[in-house]
Amino acid sequence: QKEVEQNSGPLSVPEGAIASLNCTYSDRGSQSFFWYRQYSGKSPELIMFIYSNGDKEDGRFTAQLNKASQYVSLLIRDSQPSDSATYLCAVPLGGYQKVTFGIGTKLQVIP
Amino acid sequence: GAGVSQSPSNKVTEKGKDVELRCDPISGHTALYWYRQSLGQGLEFLIYFQGNSAPDKSGLPSDRFSAERTGGSVSTLTIQRTQQEDSAVYLCASSLVGFTEGDEQYFGPGTRLTVT
Repeated sequence: QKEVEQNSGPLSVPEGAIASLNCTYSDRGSQSFFWYRQYSGKSPELIMFIYSNGDKEDGRFTAQLNKASQYVSLLIRDSQPSDSATYLCAVPLGGYQKVTFGIGTKLQVIP
Repeated sequence: GAGVSQSPSNKVTEKGKDVELRCDPISGHTALYWYRQSLGQGLEFLIYFQGNSAPDKSGLPSDRFSAERTGGSVSTLTIQRTQQEDSAVYLCASSLVGFTEGDEQYFGPGTRLTVT
């Protein structure tokens, strides 16, 4: 099992729909979880972090964390073509000394 | 203020040559990270510096790779005797305090290394 697992996609959704991106992780002791967005040819940028079970909302983005099931998800409401990018899940494994990134899920929002 | 800067932005080198990649973190950030991203792949952690502590080098793929951070600021990643499989984008990131809850990493634009 990979330490941080994501479906590479592409995930295609129509404009205005909800995009749901999922990430599972292997270290039950992990405490913080990050979602980064990476446009093609650009560097990653942080869009959300979450460390408590439940939901965290920021504008059109909602991060959902379930530590018992070891998954974290990112929902994007009212998806826009400008949301088309690769979304990377990042989890500090084994304490805070190593952040492991998932392979990323490529999202395509179709106008 | 300025973000994380990296130089060069592109580097083409011949197999067997040494290369040095530079990273200037955001002023005041104590933590600095190096990652590698190959085409179509995720980010591969290479090394992490935190203040004056000994760096975590466990992500370096071979002993041809080394990195240093001078004066707690600028960092240089050196790849000796480059191989074609070293071709990738090398990303540097910095953060304020290191891996704590919500400590955001700010990424530089990357150096695209091509080994011919």
